[in-house]
Amino acid sequence: EAGVTQFPSHSVIEKGQTVTLRCDPISGHDNLYWYRRVMGKEIKFLLHFVKESKQDESGMPNNRFLAERTGGTYSTLKVQPAELEDSGVYFCASSPSGKYNEQFFGPGTRLTVL
Amino acid sequence: GQSLEQPSEVTAVEGAIVQINCTYQTSGFYGLSWYQQHDGGAPTFLSYNALDGLEETGRFSSFLSRSDSYGYLLLQELQMKDSASYFCAVRGTGGFKTIFGAGTRLFVKA
Repeated sequence: EAGVTQFPSHSVIEKGQTVTLRCDPISGHDNLYWYRRVMGKEIKFLLHFVKESKQDESGMPNNRFLAERTGGTYSTLKVQPAELEDSGVYFCASSPSGKYNEQFFGPGTRLTVL
Repeated sequence: GQSLEQPSEVTAVEGAIVQINCTYQTSGFYGLSWYQQHDGGAPTFLSYNALDGLEETGRFSSFLSRSDSYGYLLLQELQMKDSASYFCAVRGTGGFKTIFGAGTRLFVKA
């Protein structure tokens, strides 16, 4: 069984540019989560999808961040326009329907905004 | 607000036992989980406690006291490969949002 995959693994962009991160969850997992970790700090919750619906997006920093999960499969997280403080590692995780305590994480996308 | 506190670093020797503590403050509580993350890797699930007491999984055990808003991860027979960051996490209000601590960096020395 394939794990959670994320693309790209690294992204370096300039302030003001747009970046789109992609996450492919484990097949059949209804729950999909986005997190961000800034160096040395906690893994911060961004949002949670159940299938294609946003269950909780209270962690999204501002309206420069847009997450979608059309069709309830893969998800994208777009940052537009990117700011310096958006730098960090963005993790995606997934879990089966009704199960939230054991989440399967992807390897993350390291975003650097210059 | 919701927060978790855990030590930033712990150092132990190979073969020893180490305990990583976690205290939490949340407006709701749906369980305490532990994750391990090696440098550059993905966090991987270790254990979960919904009720008070000790859960054992091989060399790793996890404990929860809901009345004290406290838990710990116990690692026995430490191996060099256990050097990693360990995160405690709780599901708080609404049951869907998972809050992570800042992580405890464990260094295992020979």
